Amino acid sequence: EVQLLESGGGLVQPGGSLRLSCGASGFTFSSYGMTWVRQAPGKGLEWVSGISGSGGGTYYANSVKGRFTISRDNSMYTLFLQMNSLRVEDTAVYYCAKIRGWGSDWYFEIWGRGTLVHVS
Amino acid sequence: QTVVTQEPSFSVSPGGTLTLTCGLSSGSVSSSYYPSWYQQTPGQAPRTLIYNTNTRSSGVPDRFSGSILGNKAALTITGAQADDESDYYCVLYMGSGIWVFGGGTKVTVL
Repeated sequence: EVQLLESGGGLVQPGGSLRLSCGASGFTFSSYGMTWVRQAPGKGLEWVSGISGSGGGTYYANSVKGRFTISRDNSMYTLFLQMNSLRVEDTAVYYCAKIRGWGSDWYFEIWGRGTLVHVS
Repeated sequence: QTVVTQEPSFSVSPGGTLTLTCGLSSGSVSSSYYPSWYQQTPGQAPRTLIYNTNTRSSGVPDRFSGSILGNKAALTITGAQADDESDYYCVLYMGSGIWVFGGGTKVTVL
């Protein structure tokens, strides 16, 4: 069974840093792009960042560019999101998702349950 | 700044049909944007419904269908049921590894 499990969320002060992790199982991790999507309290979904299967391509929303860094360790089946210079508006549940069809279908096939980041 | 538009809310009677749309603030949505749709109930992770405009994800009932209607992507729910009451999000692939979500549509079944 394909599973994604986020961790690393918590309470952090504005200007602080946090590193999120997403552990994957049930599929060949290196064969798939991965992404982070967030949802502020009571708000909609916002795409944050994506990374290719090899890790050679990384992509960011303008709202986090220069502050967040996405990376992956394919040997450990783990996706990361390093978040620096955090702002109150970064408060959200952060979901990781498996991208299916990199180069073809371009969609988010499987989602984790999310981890809450609270900047205050 | 690309804005993806969705109806904020929609109501439907049980057994009824509704069509949600996903547009662009500037321009038309086509299959080249690989529109996909996700359902989310409060406190839960999103669930994938439709991808690549009109392909149902595994396990999604056939009363959910996707299409392009005019200059927008569309999600149609036929025979609405009580447990269809959720938030629905579309997302468009803008190219170069970038996606943009719509603001979501809150569907009420009553």
